[in-house]
Amino acid sequence: EVQLMQSGAEVKKPGESLIISCSASGYTFTNYWIGWVRQMPGKGLEWMGIIYPSDSDTKYSPSFQGQVTISADKSIGTAFLQWNSLQASDTAIYYCTRAPYDWSPPVDSWGQGTLVTVSS
Amino acid sequence: EVVLTQSPGTLSLSPGERATLSCRASQSISSTYLAWYQQKFGQTPRLLIYGASSRATGIPDRFSGSGSGTDFILSITRLEPEDFAVYYCQHYGTAPWTFGQGTKVEI
Repeated sequence: EVQLMQSGAEVKKPGESLIISCSASGYTFTNYWIGWVRQMPGKGLEWMGIIYPSDSDTKYSPSFQGQVTISADKSIGTAFLQWNSLQASDTAIYYCTRAPYDWSPPVDSWGQGTLVTVSS
Repeated sequence: EVVLTQSPGTLSLSPGERATLSCRASQSISSTYLAWYQQKFGQTPRLLIYGASSRATGIPDRFSGSGSGTDFILSITRLEPEDFAVYYCQHYGTAPWTFGQGTKVEI
């Protein structure tokens, strides 16, 4: 069974750093893209970026380029989303997603979401 | 970047009625790379349609997608109580992928 298991909820202060994770199981990690989607409280879905773990090919939304880092560790089948300096506006639920190499379909599995709260 | 504009913002309908949701792209996009998602309150989104008209696995046939170029439609025939949710269109394939702002289908 394909599973994307995300790390637990986080409460951080502005300026702190953070890494959240998405641990994949039930399939060959390097054969699928892993993407990240943000949902701020009461708002819509925002595509952040996507990585192909086989070669670390990474694509970012201009809105998130330079604000976050997407990475993946093939040896442990896990993708990461990293912030160096959080802001209150980073408060949101973050979902990881899986897509086949040809993006057909664009998402065939979702993580359960990680709630990140940034507050002083 | 492709900007997707969904209309209407809110659609008020009754069970059994037909829903027609619109998604307009700021530039012509390949229908191969247009998807629709459903999100119920407090739940993870669910893929309904990809490639503009292909139903995802397990999606009932009352959901259908159509369109090309800049104009795409999600139709839901005979609304069921569980269909009342927020629906998003998405452009994918060429980065950056983008979502529309969503259409809420309410009773």
